[in-house]
Amino acid sequence: EADIYQTPRYLVIGTGKKITLECSQTMGHDKMYWYQQDPGMELHLIHYSYGVNSTEKGDLSSESTVSRIRTEHFPLTLESARPSHTSQYLCASSDGTGYGYTFGSGTRLTVV
Amino acid sequence: QQPVQSPQAVILREGEDAVINCSSSKALYSVHWYRQKHGEAPVFLMILLKGGEQKGHEKISASFNEKKQQSSLYLTASQLSYSGTYFCGTEGSSGYSTLTFGKGTMLLVSP
Repeated sequence: EADIYQTPRYLVIGTGKKITLECSQTMGHDKMYWYQQDPGMELHLIHYSYGVNSTEKGDLSSESTVSRIRTEHFPLTLESARPSHTSQYLCASSDGTGYGYTFGSGTRLTVV
Repeated sequence: QQPVQSPQAVILREGEDAVINCSSSKALYSVHWYRQKHGEAPVFLMILLKGGEQKGHEKISASFNEKKQQSSLYLTASQLSYSGTYFCGTEGSSGYSTLTFGKGTMLLVSP
């Protein structure tokens, strides 16, 4: 079944730790995105990719980095987690302009 | 630029209708609509493209006024399952842009 998967679902981590949030999709979509969403608030784009070896920063300034070595995989890395990074991170993919986004279940990150 | 959604919240009884609006100050290529239930990921409902094409679900309809850069989502004969937060997302007129989401409209349908 075509889908988009995010792991871990929940993560509690100490300040200063390096973390990688995983995102994989089985739909063969070229376009992938990372959004940050605080509870009850709007989604903010932090990174996106239009294909392998293509990555761009989004509207929201972020201290994270991404990579796109394979079409299906789009991980997000925080080199040094801080309490201000506490949020929900949503990964999404789409078939291109004019098509809806499919979102993963999200990773709820808490930095203590 | 972030689209503006209205109203911020709606409370309905089952069977009633609701309209959620989304407006942008820039020329748009498309408007997307998503519903997000508490603790879950947003789910795609509908897309409206410049030129009038619509792709979405049968029980939910929407309109896109290209002159005014406004879209409206129509929820008719609401069901309990319609409860959630509705987000519109807009793509710029170049057609190669990413989605910018509005702040959302919270909809609560009660029995």
